[in-house]
Amino acid sequence: ETGVTQSPTHLIKTRGQQVTLRCSSQSGHNTVSWYQQALGQGPQFIFQYYREEENGRGNFPPRFSGLQFPNYSSELNVNALELDDSALYLCASRPGQGVDEQFFGPGTRLTVL
Amino acid sequence: DQQVKQNSPSLSVQEGRISILNCDYTNSMFDYFLWYKKYPAEGPTFLISISSIKDKNEDGRFTVFLNKSAKHLSLHIVPSQPGDSAVYFCAASTASGTYKYIFGTGTRLKVLA
Repeated sequence: ETGVTQSPTHLIKTRGQQVTLRCSSQSGHNTVSWYQQALGQGPQFIFQYYREEENGRGNFPPRFSGLQFPNYSSELNVNALELDDSALYLCASRPGQGVDEQFFGPGTRLTVL
Repeated sequence: DQQVKQNSPSLSVQEGRISILNCDYTNSMFDYFLWYKKYPAEGPTFLISISSIKDKNEDGRFTVFLNKSAKHLSLHIVPSQPGDSAVYFCAASTASGTYKYIFGTGTRLKVLA
């Protein structure tokens, strides 16, 4: 069984650019959440997708958006990048909304210069 | 406002002894708590959870204690092993299976052989 995978591993962008991060959920998992982990902080919830619909969002501006595809893989898009967007972005999947245990991917390290 | 706090950034413990990791929260609406472990270059891994109707939950070497009146929970690892060396995050939510987990900033545990 393949776990949660994310791509790319590392990414460097400049301020004002746009970025797309990708996540393949674990087989059979229809719920995907995205988190931002800044240096020295815990993960902060960005949003969750369930069966291709966003059904929960944290305190992040609209320039953070996402998609979930029919195969339950997901994308996180960030427009107009700011220096503070530099962080580790984690994707987590689980087999249903009522399930507590989330399986995290290794993350994408984004650096904004 | 940090709703979930882990006030000890790091902890060193001798192999075989007990490790105690602490977590405090401020939101009295939280009633479900989880602990995650994170190794470098990997995503967080779910360890153990507890709901507010319990004050203790045990899984092998890991026990979580919840003191609702003090808004405090702790993770005990007995006996500690070198492979337990990692960053530990506590997380809280307002219901089991919900999407919005609030994470603490983490405690780096080092188990000395």
